[in-house]
Amino acid sequence: EVQLVESGGGLVQPGGSLRLSCAASGFTFSSFSMNWVRQAPQKGLEWVSYISGGSGTIYYADSVKGRFTISRDSAKNSLYLQMNSLRAEDTAVYFCARVRGSSSSGWQDYWGQGTLVTVSS
Amino acid sequence: QSVLTQPPSASGTPGQRVTISCSGSSSNIGSNTINWYQQLPGTAPKVLIYSNNQRPSGVPDRFSGSKSGTSASLAISGLQSEDEADYYCAAWDDSLNGRLFGGGTKLTVL
Repeated sequence: EVQLVESGGGLVQPGGSLRLSCAASGFTFSSFSMNWVRQAPQKGLEWVSYISGGSGTIYYADSVKGRFTISRDSAKNSLYLQMNSLRAEDTAVYFCARVRGSSSSGWQDYWGQGTLVTVSS
Repeated sequence: QSVLTQPPSASGTPGQRVTISCSGSSSNIGSNTINWYQQLPGTAPKVLIYSNNQRPSGVPDRFSGSKSGTSASLAISGLQSEDEADYYCAAWDDSLNGRLFGGGTKLTVL
């Protein structure tokens, strides 16, 4: 059974940093690209970042470019999101999701339950 | 404001057929496949339709997707109370080099 479990969320002050993790199980992690998607309170979904199976291709949304870094460790079956220079508008539930297909034609077939990041003083 | 435009709300009575539209441009829907997600309250999204009109196993055939030019639609026939949820379209955008989600449509079953 495919499982994705996010962790690392919490309360952080503006300008601070946080590292999210996503533990994957039930599939060959290195064979799949992964996405981070976030959802601000009572708002819609926003794609954050994409990483290919071998980490050779990475994309970021303009809203986080230069502040967030996506990475993965196939030995640990884990996906990460390092978030620096956090702003109030980064407050959201962050989901990790497995990608089927390519970056442009793919879709998210499995999602984690999400982890809440709150940026506030 | 999302680059993929959806109506904020839609409604129907049990048994009815409803459609949700998603309008984009040549750089996203016009040149890439579209996917649809359903998000029930308090849960993670779930893929309903991928590659414009394909249903994952387990998704009822009451759900169907179509695409024409720079627009797409999700149709739900035989509406049921458990279909009450938020629905999002999504597509890759070649100009932004990123994935876009529509703003979401809240479906109410009256």
